[in-house]
Amino acid sequence: EDKVVQSPLSLVVHEGDTVTLNCSYEVTNFRSLLWYKQEKKAPTFLFMLTSSGIEKKSGRLSSILDKKELFSILNITATQTGDSAIYLCARNSGGSNYKLTFGKGTLLTVNP
Amino acid sequence: KAGVTQTPRYLIKTRGQQVTLSCSPISGHRSVSWYQQTPGQGLQFLFEYFSETQRNKGNFPGRFSGRQFSNSRSEMNVSTLELGDSALYLCASSLASGSEAFFGQGTRLTVV
Repeated sequence: EDKVVQSPLSLVVHEGDTVTLNCSYEVTNFRSLLWYKQEKKAPTFLFMLTSSGIEKKSGRLSSILDKKELFSILNITATQTGDSAIYLCARNSGGSNYKLTFGKGTLLTVNP
Repeated sequence: KAGVTQTPRYLIKTRGQQVTLSCSPISGHRSVSWYQQTPGQGLQFLFEYFSETQRNKGNFPGRFSGRQFSNSRSEMNVSTLELGDSALYLCASSLASGSEAFFGQGTRLTVV
């Protein structure tokens, strides 16, 4: 089955905390794993991961992929209230079967 | 560089009508994919176009259709609207099937 599972579904933290968001996926036709942040309308692209074990970083955000265990994590350090959003991960099947299969997302709330 | 542009931003239609939504991808991007987002189902893949050809279609009824023009702009059409079609419709563009996908602001469709 074509499934992406994110956990937790929601998370409430205080500013300054570090959070880890999880995403597991099924392997059929895997091309890459993408992370997005959605605040109001458009999901904003964060990372695309294709290779195992290589961490991608952007400021306080980082992500890594484990292709053997079929999961990815998104870490946010020193959280700020502006990090409050839904974080979505998506599996890209690529090629002529291109589509993004999304998880349900993790709703992150960062309180001051 | 302009981002992905979707028009209109908001639409209200009555049951039984049809609607056409438009998406202009980032310049140079040839892949356009469409997604429906609802609170219950999350983001679900509708279809993907590359160089004017539909390459993949999600699990939606035939009332949902689309096309892509030679300039890569895409339209999706929903005929015989139902109340359950109320959703945020998002399109994403990417350079190729294996590259990052960037989303537009979406069209909020309300069917009454």
